Amino acid sequence: KNQVEQSPQSLIILEGKNCTLQCNYTVSPFSNLRWYKQDTGRGPVSLTIMTFSENTKSNGRYTATLDADTKQSSLHITASQLSDSASYICVVSANSGYSTLTFGKGTMLLVSP
Amino acid sequence: ETGVTQSPTHLIKTRGQQVTLRCSSQSGHNTVSWYQQALGQGPQFIFQYYREEENGRGNFPPRFSGLQFPNYSSELNVNALELDDSALYLCASSAKGGSSSGNTIYFGEGSWLTVV
Repeated sequence: KNQVEQSPQSLIILEGKNCTLQCNYTVSPFSNLRWYKQDTGRGPVSLTIMTFSENTKSNGRYTATLDADTKQSSLHITASQLSDSASYICVVSANSGYSTLTFGKGTMLLVSP
Repeated sequence: ETGVTQSPTHLIKTRGQQVTLRCSSQSGHNTVSWYQQALGQGPQFIFQYYREEENGRGNFPPRFSGLQFPNYSSELNVNALELDDSALYLCASSAKGGSSSGNTIYFGEGSWLTVV
């Protein structure tokens, strides 16, 4: 069964600090891994997309890494801002004939002033 | 703004009723997927439509059904509503190839359904 596990479940950091969110997956056959930011009550917004051959990708203060051998990914947020408070969801796509996504439950990040 | 619009944004229904949720995909996107997101959980895949045909389905009963129209907009219909159907329903659109192609997938803001 395809699964995506994220840690920690929730995190509180001070404004200006860095943090790293983790994602482990067992999705096969692997196609790509995405990180989304979801504000409470809103739809998810894409941050990064990485395929098998990519091991790092940046989007402003967000940097995602991918280790396809260990099936792990991380999302690093630099110099956090209050507006970074949201749920960060790791999503893995399987190339299964039709396209489908397996979502993690997300890490709830709260950036405190 | 993702270019994906959903309606209604919020609605309340009673058990046993039927509901129709609507989604307009981003211009040029012919693949639409629907997801159910319960509070505190990640989205769960319901089904996907590609060029008006169902192109994959998750673990949801037949009372969850859908349509895609020639302009690629889509509907999600749920019959015989149950309390556990209360959730945020997300529509996502992408260009040909969907998620396995690495194309960006754009989500709408969702429709909040409460079943009482």
